[in-house]
Amino acid sequence: DAGVTQSPTHLIKTRGQHVTLRCSPISGHKSVSWYQQVLGQGPQFIFQYYEKEERGRGNFPDRFSARQFPNYSSELNVNALLLGDSALYLCASSLMAGQNGYTFGSGTRLTVV
Amino acid sequence: AQSVTQLDSQVPVFEEAPVELRCNYSSSVSVYLFWYVQYPNQGLQLLLKYLSGSTLVESINGFEAEFNKSQTSFHLRKPSVHISDTAEYFCAVILTGGGNKLTFGTGTQLKVEL
Repeated sequence: DAGVTQSPTHLIKTRGQHVTLRCSPISGHKSVSWYQQVLGQGPQFIFQYYEKEERGRGNFPDRFSARQFPNYSSELNVNALLLGDSALYLCASSLMAGQNGYTFGSGTRLTVV
Repeated sequence: AQSVTQLDSQVPVFEEAPVELRCNYSSSVSVYLFWYVQYPNQGLQLLLKYLSGSTLVESINGFEAEFNKSQTSFHLRKPSVHISDTAEYFCAVILTGGGNKLTFGTGTQLKVEL
């Protein structure tokens, strides 16, 4: 079975641009969460979606948005990019709402210049 | 608010020596506890987890962690490390009944030397 897949793997954007990151969960997993990992730090929670509904949101500005599709894949959108948005963006999926832990993808490395 | 503290940012150790990576958490409610490992330029891999039951949990590659409620700790140990264990290790918690987000510590870089 394929694990959690994320695309693209690397991305370079200019300040002020918009970016869309994509995630496909493990087959059968209904929960997808997004995390931001800045270099040298632990991942920070951005969003969780379960059964296509937002179930949690971290302390991120409204420039960050996400959605989950009927096939449980997900997109993370970031508008008006700032240099500080440069990070590894991780997607994680779980069968239920996540109490048993999450399986992470390899991430999308976003560089804002 | 919950928080996770990993006091050691880096832990150098010689191959075949024992190691302990420390993790403490603060929470007024019960928690689920996790250790994740991250190899360079990769995502996070679940190493082990404590949900309930036995307070000592083990991974398939020789790591173990013990949940200590009185000390609010979940330290990770391995009796004999291998060079391939070199990686970043993250401790994380989920509050029971309070949403299902993972709150991570800042990570501990384990560097195994020959």
